[in-house]
Amino acid sequence: EAQVTQNPRYLITVTGKKLTVTCSQNMNHEYMSWYRQDPGLGLRQIYYSMNVEVTDKGDVPEGYKVSRKEKRNFPLILESPSPNQTSLYFCASSGGSNQPQHFGDGTRLSIL
Amino acid sequence: GQNIDQPTEMTATEGAIVQINCTYQTSGFNGLFWYQQHAGEAPTFLSYNVLDGLEEKGRFSSFLSRSKGYSYLLLKELQMKDSASYLCAGPVSNDYKLSFGAGTTVTVRA
Repeated sequence: EAQVTQNPRYLITVTGKKLTVTCSQNMNHEYMSWYRQDPGLGLRQIYYSMNVEVTDKGDVPEGYKVSRKEKRNFPLILESPSPNQTSLYFCASSGGSNQPQHFGDGTRLSIL
Repeated sequence: GQNIDQPTEMTATEGAIVQINCTYQTSGFNGLFWYQQHAGEAPTFLSYNVLDGLEEKGRFSSFLSRSKGYSYLLLKELQMKDSASYLCAGPVSNDYKLSFGAGTTVTVRA
């Protein structure tokens, strides 16, 4: 089954404790992206990747890092999380800019 | 990112028609998507328009006017299960950076 898998689905942690949210897709897609979703603001793009070792900033990259060492994986790293990063995060992949994005089920992060 | 505007909320009756408008900046535009998102779930793809005109897919249709920077999603024969948020999204100039509108929450009443 074609899917995008994110882990963990839920996480409560404390300020400053490094965390990684993993994302994996099994569709051989070149394009992957991370979004955060906040009430009233909709989905905002954090980082995206057009292929292995090619990443670029979205609209809200501050406080986040990503890597794309393999085509299927695109982890999101919060080196020093802060409460303003409490949000619902989605990973997505697609076969190209004009192709539909397939979203993971989301990761709800709470930073205390 | 791209400035994409859509109404916040709409309410309609079961069986009715609702039209959700979306406006965007025309510079660097290369196609527009519509996604549906039920509460607590991930967005799912509804439609993609890159040329002007109306594209119909069953009860859902999407329209695009590139010169006016305008699109709409038309939901016909509304059902209770159509209660969801509808997101308008467009690629910007480099074709990979995607911007979403804040979403329109549609509530279908019996």
